Amino acid sequence: AQSVSQHNHHVILSEAASLELGCNYSYGGTVNLFWYVQYPGQHLQLLLKYFSGDPLVKGIKGFEAEFIKSKFSFNLRKPSVQWSDTAEYFCAVVGGFQKLVFGTGTRLLVSP
Amino acid sequence: NAGVTQTPKFQVLKTGQSMTLQCAQDMNHNSMYWYRQDPGMGLRLIYYSASEGTTDKGEVPNGYNVSRLNKREFSLRLESAAPSQTSVYFCASSEKPTDYNEQFFGPGTRLTVL
Repeated sequence: AQSVSQHNHHVILSEAASLELGCNYSYGGTVNLFWYVQYPGQHLQLLLKYFSGDPLVKGIKGFEAEFIKSKFSFNLRKPSVQWSDTAEYFCAVVGGFQKLVFGTGTRLLVSP
Repeated sequence: NAGVTQTPKFQVLKTGQSMTLQCAQDMNHNSMYWYRQDPGMGLRLIYYSASEGTTDKGEVPNGYNVSRLNKREFSLRLESAAPSQTSVYFCASSEKPTDYNEQFFGPGTRLTVL
């Protein structure tokens, strides 16, 4: 069965700092990968997704993620965070005919 | 388009009470899902409906039932609520049966069972 690990549960950064959130998955076949964001009090929104092609995926609000197949990773990055990036971030993966599986989430707090 | 809507937004139940959470989407999506979100556990799939007329269990179906009323609506029922069901419930929909398609989420229902 597929699973997703997000090792950073809480991250605190100052504005303008660079961000990298880790995501590792376990599934040996072809996968599709997602990052969702949940701003305080809001529902989940898609940040970016990888289906195929260029392993460096660019999403909304300056976020990007790199799919490294050999490392089973799909880390989320942003060069310079803003206070408005304070949110919870979820990595999700689906492979084969199984259902979307979410990681446990990373809470990001950006201090002004 | 409203996207995915859920009612109610908040609910408090006593142990043993029943209730139905409602979900509707106006995107003409075929597939719909119910998740629960608990601290430190991410989102876990309760039930899903790949298409109108079908429903299947997800990761944590015990204590829940669902009904795909029509293509737009997918309800989640708690027959006898338990404190372990205190959670935030999210409904989602996608154009095609999960897997390779983006899911769109509703605003959630925060349920407390006393």
